[in-house]
Amino acid sequence: DAGITQSPRHKVTETGTPVTLRCHQTENHRYMYWYRQDPGHGLRLIHYSYGVKDTDKGEVSDGYSVSRSKTEDFLLTLESATSSQTSVYFCAISEGEETGELFFGEGSRLTVL
Amino acid sequence: GQNIDQPTEMTATEGAIVQINCTYQTSGFNGLFWYQQHAGEAPTFLSYNVLDGLEEKGRFSSFLSRSKGYSYLLLKELQMKDSASYLCAVRDSNYQLIWGAGTKLIIKP
Repeated sequence: DAGITQSPRHKVTETGTPVTLRCHQTENHRYMYWYRQDPGHGLRLIHYSYGVKDTDKGEVSDGYSVSRSKTEDFLLTLESATSSQTSVYFCAISEGEETGELFFGEGSRLTVL
Repeated sequence: GQNIDQPTEMTATEGAIVQINCTYQTSGFNGLFWYQQHAGEAPTFLSYNVLDGLEEKGRFSSFLSRSKGYSYLLLKELQMKDSASYLCAVRDSNYQLIWGAGTKLIIKP
């Protein structure tokens, strides 16, 4: 199994508070992704990174920011959480853009009250 | 827009065969993936098709027809542990993965 861990695994917070989710990998993969998964929807890409300090937006990036200061860590920040951001968040990694196979972390369940 | 369609839920019997279909309309095509996701867990990679035809891997097979924008995942000799959601995803011309909402497969004894 790919070495990829997310923290926290579960979090309950209140509307308007900042939240940071962390993804840590030990595989030295270049690409890292943050997805959210909601009932009735496919996985939706929030942001991704193709190297240290190199990031780009996905289809649902509004309200989220990311940072990657080291190859192994990719942080997802909700500056001011809203109830619509209640979701399960998955981090994923891949060796390259064209290799395709993603390895997923265990997921972080976020509830915004 | 880009769209991936797959049935929401399917039921099958232990020991039987089930086929899960996936149709897609995307901006370009650079491969189709199937992932398995057990409830409360992360998706895990099952198969990859980039050329037309059938790819077999043990009890699981995946078929692709690029001209029809169609794929299916075939599961044989179903076991109770195959109860899970099966996600179809297409890599588009920008190498981004477009995901279907998933098919929940229920296996009955």
